[in-house]
Formats: sequence, structure tokens, C-alpha cells
Amino acid sequence: GNSVTQMEGPVTLSEEAFLTINCTYTATGYPSLFWYVQYPGEGLQLLLKATKADDKGSNKGFEATYRKETTSFHLEKGSVQVSDSAVYFCALSDLTGANSKLTFGKGITLSVRP
Amino acid sequence: DAGITQSPRHKVTETGTPVTLRCHQTENHRYMYWYRQDPGHGLRLIHYSYGVKDTDKGEVSDGYSVSRSKTEDFLLTLESATSSQTSVYFCAISPRAPYEQYFGPGTRLTVT
Repeated sequence: GNSVTQMEGPVTLSEEAFLTINCTYTATGYPSLFWYVQYPGEGLQLLLKATKADDKGSNKGFEATYRKETTSFHLEKGSVQVSDSAVYFCALSDLTGANSKLTFGKGITLSVRP
Repeated sequence: DAGITQSPRHKVTETGTPVTLRCHQTENHRYMYWYRQDPGHGLRLIHYSYGVKDTDKGEVSDGYSVSRSKTEDFLLTLESATSSQTSVYFCAISPRAPYEQYFGPGTRLTVT
């Protein structure tokens, strides 16, 4: 079946540091890939997405590239801010069958210190 | 923001009592989902719906049932709540497969 593996957390960084959060996946077919962010006390929000190999999703300074050869979708940001402190989830959408579902990783908590 | 509301937002109930959580959308999206979020497990799919009266099980459906009699409402029922069902429950909607999903604000349920 499909699965998403995220690096272990939590991650603590100083403001303006470079961020990388690793995500690898196992899937049949050609899934779409997503990063979601969850701020404290809120629901998940879509951060960015990529629907095919070599696509780069980007939003709010975050980027991730769909790498089919390494089955990865790592999230990066060049300079994090305190406001980026949140939980980040990698997910894939199963394209097989008519009723698509998302498979989520376990999430990783990012804390950014001033 | 997608128009999704969940009610109640917080609930404390006793073991053995029935509980119904409601998800309401104003986007007229076809797909609706119920997840639970627990530390160390991320989000796990309980049930989902791909149309009015069309539902299917997710990976953790035991102890839960759902109903969807209108496009805008998706109900999750715990027939007899147990302490293991203490969790944060999220509803999500999607216009079509395999689009991204949009999440509600969540319901924190505590079963004592």
C-alpha cells in the first residue's frame, strides 16, 4: 500500500536559518504530493503541492520538488521566521481508482527561536 | 478559506455514551472525510464520502459510523464512546479526486 515517511522530529532552529524537512514515499502509480501545515489550535492548511515528476511546488518562501527517481518531496525554506513554527505534514494522493484518498506522514514539529 | 465548520468544537463525554460530530460545508464539494489526529500517529482516515449516501471505510473505522444525507453535511457517530476515542477529529472536503483536501478547525473530544 501507499505510505509516507517523514524525518523524526521535533526540529528547533534559530530565525533566518535554512530549513529542510525530509519526506519520502511509497506508492503505486503516479501520486500527487502535498505539504500541509498546522498552526497551533488550527486545522491543516495546504502549503504547496506537485502533481507530476520534476514539478516544483512553492508558497510563502517554501519549496519542494517532486523527485520520482528518489521517491522524495523534501520541504525547504531559505530563511525561517518565528511565525513558521508549526507542524508540517507530507502527504500523497492515490491516483488509482475513482475515490482518491490522502495518505499522511506522521508530521514534524518545527520551532523557530527569535 | 474553504467554508467548513465543525460542531461541537469541544466535547467531554463519558464512556459508553453515543456521540455525534457534525461537519458542514458551503462549497458544494463532492468528497468529505473524517480523520482523527493523535500524537505519534499523524492523521488517520476514519471514513469518507464520495457523494450523498455514498460512504466507505478508512483505516481506523472500527467503533465509528457515518452518514451523509445532504451534500453539505457529514456526520460522524461514535456508537458507544471509549477512552481510546479521545482525540482531535478533523473533517476535510475536496471537489474531486485527486485534488487536495481542505480541512475544518477540528473537534477535541475527551472520553472519561
